[in-house]
Amino acid sequence: DIVMTQTPLSLSVTPGQPASISCKSSQSLLHGDGKTYLYWYLQKPGQSPQVLIYEVSSRFSGVPDRFSGSGSGTDFTLKISRVEAEDVGFYYCMQGIHLPWTFGQGTKVEIK
Amino acid sequence: EVQLLESGGGLVQPGGSLRLSCAASGVTFSSYAMNWVRQAPGKGLEWVSAISGSGDMTYYRDSVKGRFTISRDNSKNTLSLQMNSLGAEDTAVYYCALAIWTGTRPTYWGQGTLVTVSS
Repeated sequence: DIVMTQTPLSLSVTPGQPASISCKSSQSLLHGDGKTYLYWYLQKPGQSPQVLIYEVSSRFSGVPDRFSGSGSGTDFTLKISRVEAEDVGFYYCMQGIHLPWTFGQGTKVEIK
Repeated sequence: EVQLLESGGGLVQPGGSLRLSCAASGVTFSSYAMNWVRQAPGKGLEWVSAISGSGDMTYYRDSVKGRFTISRDNSKNTLSLQMNSLGAEDTAVYYCALAIWTGTRPTYWGQGTLVTVSS
């Protein structure tokens, strides 16, 4: 199985400040079709996960543009340009190139 | 608006069985693959199983192969997960998740149903 490793595991951010989460995969997520299957999800307190970013850098419908994804191969980053109170929760990266889909351990984002 | 509503969770003894269901609405259900993803208490996300839109292809993680069976009834917009020989390690909130992208990669998630395996 592909191992997904996120850092940091916890982040405390002042509102309005940026935040960044790293995700590394144990093997390349670049598929032969040219796409890279890396996803970011946010699980807000008491809620189910919701997708933020798909295929590394595409924002899902309704996701604010303060969220952005980047990276290639095995190294990926989720950035929040200006953290808001509603952004608290656990952020998970997921690889979608080989079953079983696997997730990072999760990064807890809190507001200072 | 896509809505997914899981049901069927509860307390079951080790070695027992349980059947989860997921009712979908707001979407042409048969067009999309579906997943089950679980989350043990206080832990991260773990993909469990997936099924193609037509139901002819199914996928499982190794730890549930031979014990869990995923199925769907496209006439009723319903996804199911039959879980047998349950152990404590299966205790989790189970989410159904619909995949709008190619493959079975989860997009929309339900609210989850809690399965507790304990004597």
